[in-house]
Amino acid sequence: DTGVSQNPRHKITKRGQNVTFRCDPISEHNRLYWYRQTLGQGPEFLTYFQNEAQLEKSRLLSDRFSAERPKGSFSTLEIQRTEQGDSAMYLCASSPLGQQNQPQHFGDGTRLSIL
Amino acid sequence: QKEVEQNSGPLSVPEGAIASLNCTYSDRGSQSFFWYRQYSGKSPELIMFIYSNGDKEDGRFTAQLNKASQYVSLLIRDSQPSDSATYLCAVNSYTGGFKTIFGAGTRLFVKA
Repeated sequence: DTGVSQNPRHKITKRGQNVTFRCDPISEHNRLYWYRQTLGQGPEFLTYFQNEAQLEKSRLLSDRFSAERPKGSFSTLEIQRTEQGDSAMYLCASSPLGQQNQPQHFGDGTRLSIL
Repeated sequence: QKEVEQNSGPLSVPEGAIASLNCTYSDRGSQSFFWYRQYSGKSPELIMFIYSNGDKEDGRFTAQLNKASQYVSLLIRDSQPSDSATYLCAVNSYTGGFKTIFGAGTRLFVKA
């Protein structure tokens, strides 16, 4: 169990550019979640996958955001035409399946800064 | 009304005291409740989870759940300076589709 891995750790880009983040979950975890966190706030749910299926996507998520998990293993989160307001920490978490919703384990996050 | 509410703090307790952190939630159908600890600049780390009414103890930590009152709390006994962090309450909600909702967190300072 090597934990949830996220890359890159930091991303600085100019407004209007596209960015892509990667998340590798804990190997036996079927569920994968993406969150966004800004200073002084708790993580904000963006979307989640069970295996390769994207089961939920926050209504707060604009069309510029898209996430994939093509083979049910790693996932990518892409933000197109970045805006200043996209600056945040992007967190990935994973959990195993279970009768109850199992606890989620977080990666170290990708910090995005928009210039 | 926020879906998950926590007192932002800071909550300051002396070393060795009991720290009590509280959380209320609005979705009466919620079934799963979690406490995470987050140090500045780090990602959330799971402390406790609870599914049933009552108390659940793990070392110095006790989670308490009262679904009728829509209230969940975390007690930290024998608080240590290393416990100083932001504590996040998280609730799984199924209204309008599944999502995990986090409170904004309570900052805890344990004074040596």
